[in-house]
Parts: sequence; structure tokens; C-alpha cells
Amino acid sequence: NAGVTQTPKFQVLKTGQSMTLQCAQDMNHEYMSWYRQDPGMGLRLIHYSVGAGITDQGEVPNGYNVSRSTTEDFPLRLLSAAPSQTSVYFCASRQQGASQETQYFGPGTRLLVL
Amino acid sequence: GNSVTQMEGPVTLSEEAFLTINCTYTATGYPSLFWYVQYPGEGLQLLLKATKADDKGSNKGFEATYRKETTSFHLEKGSVQVSDSAVYFCALSGGRGRASGSRLTFGEGTQLTVNP
Repeated sequence: NAGVTQTPKFQVLKTGQSMTLQCAQDMNHEYMSWYRQDPGMGLRLIHYSVGAGITDQGEVPNGYNVSRSTTEDFPLRLLSAAPSQTSVYFCASRQQGASQETQYFGPGTRLLVL
Repeated sequence: GNSVTQMEGPVTLSEEAFLTINCTYTATGYPSLFWYVQYPGEGLQLLLKATKADDKGSNKGFEATYRKETTSFHLEKGSVQVSDSAVYFCALSGGRGRASGSRLTFGEGTQLTVNP
């Protein structure tokens, strides 16, 4: 198993540009989440999904869209990037019925918005 | 709402020193508590957990005890190694909604550097 994979590893955007951060898992996990990590603030939940076709907002959803068309993939879209979205983004997944909060995290995507 | 507060870092220790990283929490109900570790360039990994009061989680020489009376979950290790250098995050589970199991609340993280 590859676990949770994220692409790209690093990206530089200009203000107003759009992009999609990819996340995929091959463990057949139902739950998937996106977090952003900022210095001194820990990780904050952006969006999450409990299964294909179902998504919901987390703590800081503004400026981000998600969709879940398959169990494996959970892309995060920035429609119009802003400097405040400069951060490290982590995708995570968990299997339904598994130990409650044993989440698998991807290696992260570093995003710089100029 | 739920919140987690960690001691401010960074923390710098010499090899074989004793480590304590403080963590306190605010939560409704009976949350589960976790410590995650993030090594340089990697994602977070679950280090240990405790799911009820007085439980002690342990792994790789690290320990933390769920203290409900003081709402704390302090991380300790008796003798740190250079390889323990990483960022440590305290977290709790909880929240409302269909996916409460995926809703972790994290502390701000504590950078630990261990020098030889």
C-alpha cells in the first residue's frame, strides 16, 4: 500500500490563480480530511468527507472547495488563491470502524501564494 | 468548543535529558487524547493515545497519562535521543456531526531539538 499520497509537494502561486491539491489513499478508507498547518496554530480542519458523495465543512473552509467522487480521491481546490492561504496542507484518512482517531496523514503540500 | 493548549517551544535538550511537554485541554464530554509526532519533511504520525481518564498511553519510551481532574495529558520521556528531534502535537477527538471521529483538535505544536 502507498498509504496517503499528496501532490504536488511544493507549489508557488500568484494571487488570484487557481489550483487543485491532490490527495489519494489506497486503503479503502471512508473518512478523509484536509488540514492546514500554520506556525503557532497547529493543524486546523478545512473540509472532510465521510464517504463518496458526502463532504462537510471544517473549522476554516472559506476559500476552499472539495469533492469526493470516489473513495480513493479527495481533491482540495483553491479557486482564487490569496496570500493568507500560504500554508502546509495535509490530507488524512481513516477507516470506518477503526480505532477512533487513528488517522493516516499524507506527507503534505507546501503552498506559497505571492 | 474544544481546545488544546501546549507549552510554548521550542524546547532544546541534551541527549539523555528528561523531557516534559505540557498539554491541557478544554472539551465537552469525554474526549480521547493523543500525541502526534512530525519528523522533518514528513506528515504526522500517531505517537500514543489514551481514551479514558487515568489511562496511560506509551510508545517508543514516551508516556502520557490522561488526567481528567487537571484536564491534562503531558508527554514525558526519561531519556531523549537525537532521533527524537521533531514537532510534537497534542490533540483530542470530539466535536459534533456525522464525522466526529475525523474531527481532531490540535494544539499548536512544540518543536523539540535534542543535541548530542
